[in-house]
Amino acid sequence: DTAVSQTPKYLVTQMGNDKSIKCEQNLGHDTMYWYKQDSKKFLKIMFSYNNKELIINETVPNRFSPKSPDKAHLNLHINSLELGDSAVYFCASSQSTGTGAVGELFFGEGSRLTVL
Amino acid sequence: AQSVAQPEDQVNVAEGNPLTVKCTYSVSGNPYLFWYVQYPNRGLQFLLKYITGDNLVKGSYGFEAEFNKSQTSFHLKKPSALVSDSALYFCAVRGRGGGNKLTFGTGTQLKVEL
Repeated sequence: DTAVSQTPKYLVTQMGNDKSIKCEQNLGHDTMYWYKQDSKKFLKIMFSYNNKELIINETVPNRFSPKSPDKAHLNLHINSLELGDSAVYFCASSQSTGTGAVGELFFGEGSRLTVL
Repeated sequence: AQSVAQPEDQVNVAEGNPLTVKCTYSVSGNPYLFWYVQYPNRGLQFLLKYITGDNLVKGSYGFEAEFNKSQTSFHLKKPSALVSDSALYFCAVRGRGGGNKLTFGTGTQLKVEL
């Protein structure tokens, strides 16, 4: 039973298109994240939601819009895709946030986006 | 701003030998420190973390890490490497303020050879 699942696993699309990646976690965690891993394997946080509330929003272009319908789901929609958006996008979840609360992140298997 | 440095892009070790993957960090106040491992085409898997207490932290698959506050380091170690340990290893740090922003290092590719 997969703890953090992302769909689709692979996504190939043309520049200018709009696409979405979905993420679901069944761990009962209250915090979810999107990370981007580029071709050099650098990992950078994009967004974090705690109980459906946006708490981290790094300097990500407005073309990226996260949406959390409930605390078990965090989707990522990308408008007007560009070549530089090609990367692996990882969803993750953890339990609790805030001072003194430290939960390790559980990652999904990643969604590899290729923009042509 | 918090940051993590992993000075070695790649570490090569013979199977059965001890391994060390280096990590140094920068953060305001006391840190929370983590190690993750990534196998090819997979997500990151949690190995171990330092929160407080004993500076030597034991984790999954026989790995351990030592927190050294004066050197701001958190090196990953294993007494006897296995070929199956070959993977990409990430160190990460988080400050003790609000939020849960985890900053990752650039990763170290570990190659264990027969």
